[in-house]
Amino acid sequence: NAGVTQTPKFQVLKTGQSMTLQCAQDMNHEYMSWYRQDPGMGLRLIHYSVGAGITDQGEVPNGYNVSRSTTEDFPLRLLSAAPSQTSVYFCASSRLARDHYEQYFGPGTRLTVT
Amino acid sequence: GDSVTQMEGPVTLSEEAFLTINCTYTATGYPSLFWYVQYPGEGLQLLLKATKADDKGSNKGFEATYRKETTSFHLEKGSVQVSDSAVYFCALSEGSGYALNFGKGTSLLVTP
Repeated sequence: NAGVTQTPKFQVLKTGQSMTLQCAQDMNHEYMSWYRQDPGMGLRLIHYSVGAGITDQGEVPNGYNVSRSTTEDFPLRLLSAAPSQTSVYFCASSRLARDHYEQYFGPGTRLTVT
Repeated sequence: GDSVTQMEGPVTLSEEAFLTINCTYTATGYPSLFWYVQYPGEGLQLLLKATKADDKGSNKGFEATYRKETTSFHLEKGSVQVSDSAVYFCALSEGSGYALNFGKGTSLLVTP
């Protein structure tokens, strides 16, 4: 299994541009999430999905869109990039392990918005 | 709401020193607790977990005990190695549990 994969690894955007961060998992996990990591802030939840066709907002959803058309893929769209969206983005998928969920993280996408 | 507070770093230790990274939490129910580790340039990996009070999670020489009475989940290791240099995140999940609340992370540097 490849686990959770993310592309690209690095991206530079100009303010106002749009782009999609890709995330895929081959573990047949129902739950997937997007987090952003900023210095001194830990990881904050952007959006999550509990299954194909179902998404919901996390702590910091503004400026991002998601969709979940298949179990495997969960892309994150930046509609109009802003410098405040400069961050490292992590995708995660979750499996139920007895009485709790375990999250598996991708390697991250480092995004810079100028 | 739920939250996690962990000690600020960076923490610098000599090889073979004892490590403690403090983590306390606030939750309305009975969360599951986790420690994740992030090595330089990589994603997060689950280090250990505990799902109920008094459980002890352990892995790779690291341990943490779920203390409900003090709402804590401190990470310990008896003898750190240079290869333990990384950022450590304490996290909790509650309810449906598929999303995590993270602490801000503690950077650990172990010197030879």
